[in-house]
Parts: sequence; C-alpha cells; structure tokens
Amino acid sequence: GENVEQHPSTLSVQEGDSAVIKCTYSDSASNYFPWYKQELGKRPQLIIDIRSNVGEKKDQRIAVTLNKTAKHFSLHITETQPEDSAVYFCAASMSPMLTGGGNKLTFGTGTQLKVEL
Amino acid sequence: GAVVSQHPSRVICKSGTSVKIECRSLDFQATTMFWYRQFPKQSLMLMATSNEGSKATYEQGVEKDKFLINHASLTLSTLTVTSAHPEDSSFYICSASLRGDPRNEQFFGPGTRLTVL
Repeated sequence: GENVEQHPSTLSVQEGDSAVIKCTYSDSASNYFPWYKQELGKRPQLIIDIRSNVGEKKDQRIAVTLNKTAKHFSLHITETQPEDSAVYFCAASMSPMLTGGGNKLTFGTGTQLKVEL
Repeated sequence: GAVVSQHPSRVICKSGTSVKIECRSLDFQATTMFWYRQFPKQSLMLMATSNEGSKATYEQGVEKDKFLINHASLTLSTLTVTSAHPEDSSFYICSASLRGDPRNEQFFGPGTRLTVL
C-alpha cells in the first residue's frame, strides 16, 4: 500500500518568514495530494490540494509543488502569521477507478508548525 | 456545502460497554465514508472504508468485530466500538466523499473524543 513520509515533525519560524514542509510518497499510482491544517481537538481542514497533472499550485500565501518523477510534494507558506500555527498533514490518494471505488487517503505523520512573534 | 457532522462530540464510558458514533453528510449524498482514529500527537490512521449498502472494508490490524460499521444510507454511517477498553480511548473522525467528485476530496466531521474509564 501507499506510504507517505513527512518532514520535519516540528518547525519553528519567526513571524513573516517562510515555512516549507516536505512529503514523499511510494505509490506512483497516487494522483491526488491534499494538505490539511489541524488545530488541537478540531477536524482537519483542507488548505490546498494538487493533482498529478499539475506541477505547482498557489493560493495567496500558500503554494504546493509536486515532482511526480521523484514522488515528492511540498507545502510552502510565505509571510507566516501566528494564526498559521497548527499541525499540518500531507496526504496521498489515487483515483477511485484504480481502487475499485474507494479513494482512501494515506496521511503523513504531521508537522507541528509554530510561528513565533 | 459539503458539511459532515458527528455525534456525539465527546463521550465517556466505562470499560466493557459499547459506544456508537454517528457520522452524517448534511447536504450531500456520500458514496463513501471513512473512519479514522487519531491518538494524541499522531496522524490520522484509516480504520475502515464504508460504502453505502455494502460491508465495510477494514484496514489491516483493525478488528471488524470490535469496530462495527454500518452505512445504511447515503447520508449516515455509524461506528460502534464494542466492549470498549481504555486503550480504545482516542479521537475518532469520519469523512465523506461526494458521489462523482473527480478530485476525490474528503469532507471531515468534527470528530468524537472517546474516553474509556
């Protein structure tokens, strides 16, 4: 099955700096890569996602890049703010057509981001 | 749109009792629902995939007789933790995917905090 590795496990940055979180996946059939932000005790919130036919996607201060050949994808947050502090999870999924109906997500291990004033 | 609710949000029970958690898609028909378990400071681990009208598919290592899943309609799935023990204490989160969504996006419920005494 799919295996997703995520680094770093913790990341501290100064407010205004950039933060980068990296993930690798193992199954070349995976084609959907969402990123989630989870605050303590809350549900994961989708912040950005990318499909395998795209190399980069940006939404304001957040961007995701995908290197399908190397099976790497990364989250970039620019101009970090204290409210960006949370746990971030990457995930990988493949088309339901390939899995026979299920599109289960395999999550990375998470990155605790702390934005310091 | 695409709202998923869970009930209860928090439950405390005695060891040996059974607990039922409901997951509802409020404004859409969910082809598939997923159940995750999340221990403190850990990632989301998929327990099972539930398709409406059929038996759930459990991940390796998850006891299907202990974690009973019923997906009786396109808007409701239930997880019953039978004969709960303290090690079952965890944050249980469901998600649902939209019929025909090519993005495979999953919409998460707010989670249920289970504490077994």
